Amino acid sequence: QKEVEQNSGPLSVPEGAIASLNCTYSDRGSQSFFWYRQYSGKSPELIMFIYSNGDKEDGRFTAQLNKASQYVSLLIRDSQPSDSATYLCAPAGGYQKVTFGTGTKLQVIP
Amino acid sequence: NAGVTQTPKFQVLKTGQSMTLQCAQDMNHNSMYWYRQDPGMGLRLIYYSASEGTTDKGEVPNGYNVSRLNKREFSLRLESAAPSQTSVYFCASSAAREAYEQYFGPGTRLTVT
Repeated sequence: QKEVEQNSGPLSVPEGAIASLNCTYSDRGSQSFFWYRQYSGKSPELIMFIYSNGDKEDGRFTAQLNKASQYVSLLIRDSQPSDSATYLCAPAGGYQKVTFGTGTKLQVIP
Repeated sequence: NAGVTQTPKFQVLKTGQSMTLQCAQDMNHNSMYWYRQDPGMGLRLIYYSASEGTTDKGEVPNGYNVSRLNKREFSLRLESAAPSQTSVYFCASSAAREAYEQYFGPGTRLTVT
């Protein structure tokens, strides 16, 4: 089993819809969870992080964490074409141990 | 602030050649990292430096060496390049030893023929 599992996609959603990106992880020691966005040909940039079980909202983005199920998700409301990118899930177990998933490619169709 | 800078942006090497990828950050971060990114493989950690003067191996260190020259700079050296090292290389930095959010440089696209 991979340490971080993400559906590679592409996930296609119409403009204005909710995009749901999912991630499962195997390291029960993971304490912090990061979501990075990577546009094609560019470097990853941090968009959300979450430490506690439950939901964390930031504008159109909501991160959801369930440590018991080892599951973290990212919801993007009112999806825009500019949200089209690859989204990387990155659980962090502390002291340098950050494992990046392979990412889910999101396509928002105008 | 420039954030994290990397040079060069592109490089083509022949098998067996050596080169050094340079990385610098101006955010006064303690920790710095080198990753490679290959299609379908995600970001894989090559080496990291928790603080000035220290370096440690990551997931895929074979064929690479690093130097943490000072707090700002962290270089990655390929002593004898191989086609398997064709990849995009990213440098990143973070504020603390713990796995806080990382800030990435623009990347170096390396091709080894």
